[in-house]
Amino acid sequence: RKEVEQDPGPFNVPEGATVAFNCTYSNSASQSFFWYRQDCRKEPKLLMSVYSSGNEDGRFTAQLNRASQYISLLIRDSKLSDSATYLCVVNGGGFKTIFGAGTRLFVKA
Amino acid sequence: DTEVTQTPKHLVMGMTNKKSLKCEQHMGHRAMYWYKQKAKKPPELMFVYSYEKLSINESVPSRFSPECPNSSLLNLHLHALQPEDSALYLCASSQETGMGTEAFFGQGTRLTVV
Repeated sequence: RKEVEQDPGPFNVPEGATVAFNCTYSNSASQSFFWYRQDCRKEPKLLMSVYSSGNEDGRFTAQLNRASQYISLLIRDSKLSDSATYLCVVNGGGFKTIFGAGTRLFVKA
Repeated sequence: DTEVTQTPKHLVMGMTNKKSLKCEQHMGHRAMYWYKQKAKKPPELMFVYSYEKLSINESVPSRFSPECPNSSLLNLHLHALQPEDSALYLCASSQETGMGTEAFFGQGTRLTVV
């Protein structure tokens, strides 16, 4: 089993749609969780950290379920500019950060 | 704009060449990383430096040699690479905090080995 697993997609959605990405992790001792966004041929950029209480930043909501070892990202009112690969990232302690394979999102007009 | 600067942005090198990738950050971060990313794959961790000391080496071949001259700089020395080493090489840095180690990435060096 991979340490961090994501649905690779691609997700093809129309503008204005709501889309949700899921991610599971295998190490129950993992301490920190993040969503990164990566555009084609660019570096990954931090989208948001994920906390047990859940957190929201505008149209983006992240949730963490430690019991199920599950992280989610919800994007509301999708924009064309949201098209990218979304990477689930888990820190298992220390500096060892594990990336999921990424989920590709295409938002269409 | 990224606060982690990598040079060069593109590099083409032969299998007998020696070259170096450079990374610089001025955020006061004490951890710096090298990642390798192949097309349509996630970044793979290569090395981690913490307080200028190598703390993680993910079984990377010796033809890749990292160096951390000071807390702001990180180099990756390349020697006798193979064509399969062609990839995007990403540098990242993070600050030790109690909330975890969110990393900030440079724009990467796109390396082609011929």
